[in-house]
Amino acid sequence: AQSVAQPEDQVNVAEGNPLTVKCTYSVSGNPYLFWYVQYPNRGLQFLLKYITGDNLVKGSYGFEAEFNKSQTSFHLKKPSALVSDSALYFCAVRERSGYSTLTFGKGTMLLVSP
Amino acid sequence: ETGVTQTPRHLVMGMTNKKSLKCEQHLGHNAMYWYKQSAKKPLELMFVYSLEERVENNSVPSRFSPECPNSSHLFLHLHTLQPEDSALYLCASSQEGGTEAFFGQGTRLTVV
Repeated sequence: AQSVAQPEDQVNVAEGNPLTVKCTYSVSGNPYLFWYVQYPNRGLQFLLKYITGDNLVKGSYGFEAEFNKSQTSFHLKKPSALVSDSALYFCAVRERSGYSTLTFGKGTMLLVSP
Repeated sequence: ETGVTQTPRHLVMGMTNKKSLKCEQHLGHNAMYWYKQSAKKPLELMFVYSLEERVENNSVPSRFSPECPNSSHLFLHLHTLQPEDSALYLCASSQEGGTEAFFGQGTRLTVV
């Protein structure tokens, strides 16, 4: 069985500061890993994914994530936060082999203050 | 915006009503999903259709009935719902064997 843990319910950061939203996962074999963002009253919007290759993945809106196999982590990062980045962020995982659907973490609310 | 369109965006229904949620994808995908998002709970996968066949049904009560008439359309038929069924219902699609899924904007359902 696959699972995702997002240990922080909320992350607070000041505009202009770097941000990190944490994610760890459990899955058999090598995973596909994803980050999604959800703005109020909207669906989930795909941000980035790790498939293979470079452990640092770059995505939309200046976000990036670092895959760490030994720590089974896939933390989301941004060098300089914007107020408009305030939203709910979901980490997700799925197995590579066979039939598999996405398993999501419970989400982390990011609040960026001016 | 994302190629997955859900209607209606908002729905208020009584416990004795029957209604349907609609999802349409314009991405050429062959797998579609229904998720339920309740306050302070993880996203719950409800149903999965792959190549128009239901491949997953995660112990969802029978008052929720999905229908996938073709690879572009997915419905969720609702009847005799309970107030605890109030939630944001999200539709998603993907290419079977592909990676990420794309989501619609959701239907906010309130059961009164």
